[in-house]
Amino acid sequence: KQEVTQIPAALSVPEGENLVLNCSFTDSAIYNLQWFRQDPGKGLTSLLLIQSSQREQTSGRLNASLDKSSGRSTLYIAASQPGDSATYLCAVRRSSNTGKLIFGQGTTLQVKP
Amino acid sequence: EAQVTQNPRYLITVTGKKLTVTCSQNMNHEYMSWYRQDPGLGLRQIYYSMNVEVTDKGDVPEGYKVSRKEKRNFPLILESPSPNQTSLYFCASSPSGLAGGYQETQYFGPGTRLLVL
Repeated sequence: KQEVTQIPAALSVPEGENLVLNCSFTDSAIYNLQWFRQDPGKGLTSLLLIQSSQREQTSGRLNASLDKSSGRSTLYIAASQPGDSATYLCAVRRSSNTGKLIFGQGTTLQVKP
Repeated sequence: EAQVTQNPRYLITVTGKKLTVTCSQNMNHEYMSWYRQDPGLGLRQIYYSMNVEVTDKGDVPEGYKVSRKEKRNFPLILESPSPNQTSLYFCASSPSGLAGGYQETQYFGPGTRLLVL
Protein backbone atom coordinates (compact mmCIF):
# COMPACT_ATOMS: atom_id res chain seq x y z
CA LYS A 1 0.00 0.00 0.00
CA GLN A 2 1.38 3.38 -0.99
CA GLU A 3 2.31 5.66 1.90
CA VAL A 4 3.42 9.25 1.53
CA THR A 5 5.43 10.97 4.25
CA GLN A 6 6.48 14.58 4.66
CA ILE A 7 9.18 15.55 7.09
CA PRO A 8 9.42 17.84 8.95
CA ALA A 9 5.83 18.49 9.98
CA ALA A 10 6.70 22.14 10.65
CA LEU A 11 9.48 24.48 9.67
CA SER A 12 10.30 28.05 10.62
CA VAL A 13 12.87 30.11 8.70
CA PRO A 14 13.87 33.76 8.44
CA GLU A 15 12.89 35.68 5.35
CA GLY A 16 15.26 35.35 2.41
CA GLU A 17 16.42 31.80 3.08
CA ASN A 18 16.36 29.11 0.45
CA LEU A 19 14.66 26.01 1.75
CA VAL A 20 13.78 22.44 0.81
CA LEU A 21 10.65 20.52 1.69
CA ASN A 22 10.73 16.74 1.50
CA CYS A 23 8.22 14.15 0.34
CA SER A 24 8.87 10.42 0.33
CA PHE A 25 6.72 7.57 -0.96
CA THR A 26 7.00 3.83 -0.40
CA ASP A 27 6.00 2.51 -3.84
CA SER A 28 8.11 3.85 -6.70
CA ALA A 29 5.52 2.81 -9.31
CA ILE A 30 3.82 6.17 -9.59
CA TYR A 31 2.19 8.02 -12.47
CA ASN A 32 2.82 11.52 -11.20
CA LEU A 33 3.42 13.62 -8.10
CA GLN A 34 1.90 16.98 -7.29
CA TRP A 35 2.77 19.70 -4.81
CA PHE A 36 0.00 21.82 -3.31
CA ARG A 37 -0.18 24.83 -1.03
CA GLN A 38 -2.88 25.29 1.61
CA ASP A 39 -3.48 28.54 3.45
CA PRO A 40 -5.24 28.38 6.83
CA GLY A 41 -8.97 27.78 6.45
CA LYS A 42 -8.71 27.57 2.68
CA GLY A 43 -8.67 24.94 -0.03
CA LEU A 44 -5.59 23.67 -1.78
CA THR A 45 -3.82 25.38 -4.66
CA SER A 46 -1.83 23.29 -7.10
CA LEU A 47 1.80 24.44 -7.40
CA LEU A 48 3.62 21.92 -9.55
CA LEU A 49 2.93 18.55 -11.16
CA ILE A 50 5.73 16.18 -12.16
CA GLN A 51 5.06 13.23 -14.42
CA SER A 52 6.89 10.00 -13.63
CA SER A 53 9.08 10.45 -16.72
CA GLN A 54 10.24 13.91 -15.60
CA ARG A 55 12.94 14.80 -13.11
CA GLU A 56 11.90 18.34 -12.23
CA GLN A 57 9.47 21.18 -12.80
CA THR A 58 9.92 24.88 -12.16
CA SER A 59 7.54 27.73 -11.57
CA GLY A 60 8.97 31.08 -10.52
CA ARG A 61 10.84 30.64 -7.24
CA LEU A 62 9.65 27.05 -6.90
CA ASN A 63 11.42 23.97 -8.17
CA ALA A 64 10.17 20.44 -7.63
CA SER A 65 12.32 17.39 -8.27
CA LEU A 66 11.43 13.73 -8.50
CA ASP A 67 13.61 10.68 -7.93
CA LYS A 68 11.33 7.71 -8.47
CA SER A 69 13.93 5.07 -7.76
CA SER A 70 14.56 6.39 -4.26
CA GLY A 71 10.92 7.32 -3.64
CA ARG A 72 11.61 10.98 -3.04
CA SER A 73 10.53 14.40 -4.18
CA THR A 74 11.71 17.79 -2.97
CA LEU A 75 10.17 21.23 -3.27
CA TYR A 76 12.80 23.96 -3.34
CA ILE A 77 11.69 27.49 -2.47
CA ALA A 78 14.20 30.21 -3.31
CA ALA A 79 14.47 33.49 -1.42
CA SER A 80 11.56 32.74 0.89
CA GLN A 81 9.07 35.48 1.76
CA PRO A 82 6.51 35.84 4.55
CA GLY A 83 3.80 35.29 1.92
CA ASP A 84 5.15 31.78 1.43
CA SER A 85 3.92 30.85 4.91
CA ALA A 86 1.41 28.03 4.42
CA THR A 87 1.12 24.26 4.58
CA TYR A 88 2.67 22.41 1.66
CA LEU A 89 1.36 18.99 0.68
CA CYS A 90 2.54 16.45 -1.83
CA ALA A 91 0.27 13.86 -3.45
CA VAL A 92 1.06 10.76 -5.47
CA ARG A 93 -1.03 9.17 -8.21
CA ARG A 94 -0.37 5.51 -8.88
CA SER A 95 -1.39 5.06 -12.50
CA SER A 96 -3.16 6.68 -15.42
CA ASN A 97 -6.09 4.28 -14.98
CA THR A 98 -7.04 5.58 -11.58
CA GLY A 99 -7.86 9.01 -10.27
CA LYS A 100 -6.83 7.97 -6.78
CA LEU A 101 -4.45 10.34 -5.00
CA ILE A 102 -2.50 9.63 -1.82
CA PHE A 103 -1.51 12.72 0.15
CA GLY A 104 1.25 13.32 2.64
CA GLN A 105 0.34 15.05 5.88
CA GLY A 106 2.03 18.26 4.88
CA THR A 107 4.77 20.56 6.11
CA THR A 108 3.65 23.81 7.74
CA LEU A 109 6.08 26.56 6.81
CA GLN A 110 6.46 29.84 8.63
CA VAL A 111 8.68 32.50 7.09
CA LYS A 112 9.51 35.19 9.62
CA PRO A 113 10.11 38.79 8.50
CA GLU B 1 -14.86 33.33 -12.77
CA ALA B 2 -13.62 29.75 -12.99
CA GLN B 3 -14.25 28.07 -9.68
CA VAL B 4 -15.36 25.10 -7.64
CA THR B 5 -18.18 25.90 -5.24
CA GLN B 6 -19.37 23.93 -2.25
CA ASN B 7 -22.50 24.30 -0.20
CA PRO B 8 -22.99 24.61 2.64
CA ARG B 9 -19.70 25.97 3.95
CA TYR B 10 -20.56 25.11 7.55
CA LEU B 11 -23.00 22.51 8.82
CA ILE B 12 -23.96 21.23 12.25
CA THR B 13 -26.20 18.18 12.28
CA VAL B 14 -27.16 15.25 14.46
CA THR B 15 -26.36 11.56 14.14
CA GLY B 16 -28.50 9.78 11.58
CA LYS B 17 -29.95 12.79 9.79
CA LYS B 18 -29.25 12.44 6.08
CA LEU B 19 -27.39 15.31 4.47
CA THR B 20 -25.97 16.31 1.11
CA VAL B 21 -23.01 18.55 0.43
CA THR B 22 -23.13 19.95 -3.07
CA CYS B 23 -20.14 20.57 -5.32
CA SER B 24 -20.28 22.37 -8.63
CA GLN B 25 -17.61 23.44 -11.12
CA ASN B 26 -18.01 25.79 -14.07
CA MET B 27 -14.88 24.77 -15.99
CA ASN B 28 -16.30 21.80 -17.92
CA HIS B 29 -13.89 19.50 -16.07
CA GLU B 30 -14.20 15.77 -16.50
CA TYR B 31 -12.56 14.73 -13.22
CA MET B 32 -14.04 15.50 -9.80
CA SER B 33 -13.17 14.24 -6.36
CA TRP B 34 -14.08 14.48 -2.68
CA TYR B 35 -11.59 14.57 0.20
CA ARG B 36 -11.78 14.87 3.93
CA GLN B 37 -9.12 16.50 6.04
CA ASP B 38 -8.55 15.61 9.68
CA PRO B 39 -5.84 16.72 12.13
CA GLY B 40 -3.06 14.17 12.27
CA LEU B 41 -4.48 12.18 9.36
CA GLY B 42 -4.07 14.67 6.56
CA LEU B 43 -6.14 14.74 3.39
CA ARG B 44 -7.78 11.48 2.37
CA GLN B 45 -9.75 10.77 -0.77
CA ILE B 46 -13.35 9.61 -0.35
CA TYR B 47 -14.63 9.16 -3.91
CA TYR B 48 -13.67 10.36 -7.34
CA SER B 49 -15.27 10.50 -10.76
CA MET B 50 -13.36 10.32 -14.04
CA ASN B 51 -16.44 11.39 -16.03
CA VAL B 52 -20.22 11.49 -16.01
CA GLU B 53 -21.74 8.28 -14.64
CA VAL B 54 -18.26 6.98 -13.70
CA THR B 55 -17.39 6.98 -10.01
CA ASP B 56 -14.91 5.02 -7.92
CA LYS B 57 -13.86 4.64 -4.33
CA GLY B 58 -10.95 6.45 -2.80
CA ASP B 59 -9.30 5.46 0.45
CA VAL B 60 -12.14 6.17 2.89
CA PRO B 61 -15.51 5.63 1.12
CA GLU B 62 -17.37 4.00 4.00
CA GLY B 63 -20.44 5.94 5.06
CA TYR B 64 -20.52 8.12 1.93
CA LYS B 65 -22.27 8.04 -1.42
CA VAL B 66 -21.77 10.09 -4.54
CA SER B 67 -23.39 10.49 -7.91
CA ARG B 68 -22.31 12.11 -11.17
CA LYS B 69 -25.38 12.60 -13.30
CA GLU B 70 -24.04 15.67 -15.04
CA LYS B 71 -20.54 16.95 -15.64
CA ARG B 72 -20.67 20.06 -13.46
CA ASN B 73 -22.08 18.55 -10.23
CA PHE B 74 -20.72 15.95 -7.84
CA PRO B 75 -22.74 15.83 -4.60
CA LEU B 76 -21.53 14.01 -1.50
CA ILE B 77 -24.26 12.21 0.41
CA LEU B 78 -24.11 11.07 4.02
CA GLU B 79 -27.10 8.76 4.44
CA SER B 80 -26.70 8.35 8.20
CA PRO B 81 -24.00 10.67 9.52
CA SER B 82 -22.03 9.66 12.58
CA PRO B 83 -19.71 11.72 14.84
CA ASN B 84 -16.61 10.16 13.21
CA GLN B 85 -17.61 11.95 9.99
CA THR B 86 -17.02 15.30 11.64
CA SER B 87 -14.38 16.77 9.39
CA LEU B 88 -13.40 19.38 6.83
CA TYR B 89 -14.49 18.31 3.35
CA PHE B 90 -13.04 19.46 0.05
CA CYS B 91 -14.29 18.98 -3.47
CA ALA B 92 -11.85 19.25 -6.37
CA SER B 93 -11.92 19.07 -10.15
CA SER B 94 -9.43 18.87 -13.01
CA PRO B 95 -9.78 19.09 -16.79
CA SER B 96 -9.09 15.44 -17.41
CA GLY B 97 -8.22 12.48 -15.25
CA LEU B 98 -6.42 10.72 -18.07
CA ALA B 99 -4.58 13.17 -20.28
CA GLY B 100 -1.68 13.92 -17.99
CA GLY B 101 0.42 17.03 -17.60
CA TYR B 102 -1.13 20.39 -16.85
CA GLN B 103 -4.55 19.02 -17.56
CA GLU B 104 -4.39 17.16 -14.28
CA THR B 105 -3.92 20.25 -12.16
CA GLN B 106 -6.64 20.09 -9.55
CA TYR B 107 -8.77 23.03 -8.51
CA PHE B 108 -10.15 22.88 -4.99
CA GLY B 109 -13.32 24.28 -3.51
CA PRO B 110 -13.23 26.38 -0.31
CA GLY B 111 -14.21 23.49 1.97
CA THR B 112 -17.22 22.45 4.05
CA ARG B 113 -16.79 22.16 7.78
CA LEU B 114 -19.15 19.49 9.13
CA LEU B 115 -19.92 18.77 12.77
CA VAL B 116 -22.01 15.70 13.58
CA LEU B 117 -23.34 15.63 17.15
